[in-house]
Amino acid sequence: SQQGEEDPQALSIQEGENATMNCSYKTSINNLQWYRQNSGRGLVHLILIRSNEREKHSGRLRVTLDTSKKSSSLLITASRAADTASYFCATFGRNNDMRFGAGTRLTVKP
Amino acid sequence: SQTIHQWPATLVQPVGSPLSLECTVEGTSNPNLYWYRQAAGRGLQLLFYSVGIGQISSEVPQNLSASRPQDRQFILSSKKLLLSDSGFYLCAWSEAGQGLYSNQPQHFGDGTRLSIL
Repeated sequence: SQQGEEDPQALSIQEGENATMNCSYKTSINNLQWYRQNSGRGLVHLILIRSNEREKHSGRLRVTLDTSKKSSSLLITASRAADTASYFCATFGRNNDMRFGAGTRLTVKP
Repeated sequence: SQTIHQWPATLVQPVGSPLSLECTVEGTSNPNLYWYRQAAGRGLQLLFYSVGIGQISSEVPQNLSASRPQDRQFILSSKKLLLSDSGFYLCAWSEAGQGLYSNQPQHFGDGTRLSIL
């Protein structure tokens, strides 16, 4: 599998529930970034977490990073219909490589 | 504040025709610039990146080329489009920084949806 793979591929939840998306990668990283993409638009940067950090928060977003497992998770709490979008992780590796995953399509039903 | 403009938003071109997509960034200087292609429902494939005027690196062999004639202008071109060039093309910029891709957040334009007939 390629660097920066998200799972699940698709997630459907009710408004108010929490949404958790995961990202796995293979090589050592400098940082990992999460992005959001509304349908037919460009990506919007959400959070950057460095390899020496374990958790970061931004509003209703919480990102964790486990470098021993080479994985990261994005948690969106108290989801809203407006959170419906695709979410991508991107890894920036120590070997000067960069990869975007295929994304998780999140649908939040009102 | 910094902004990125990418145009056109949509484009329909016949096979064999030329292509020119333009991207400009405002409010910053000497940014790293990137061109990506996104297939439907998929992640991003990096096509080209540039760390300065006239400095272009290609990530994948392809039918496309890129140029950076000015500090904040990045152009994606083709002399003869193929059916396989259809897709959603995204331009992005980041602050210059350490590492090949600067390790900084990337800021994306709204993309160009290119359809080849």
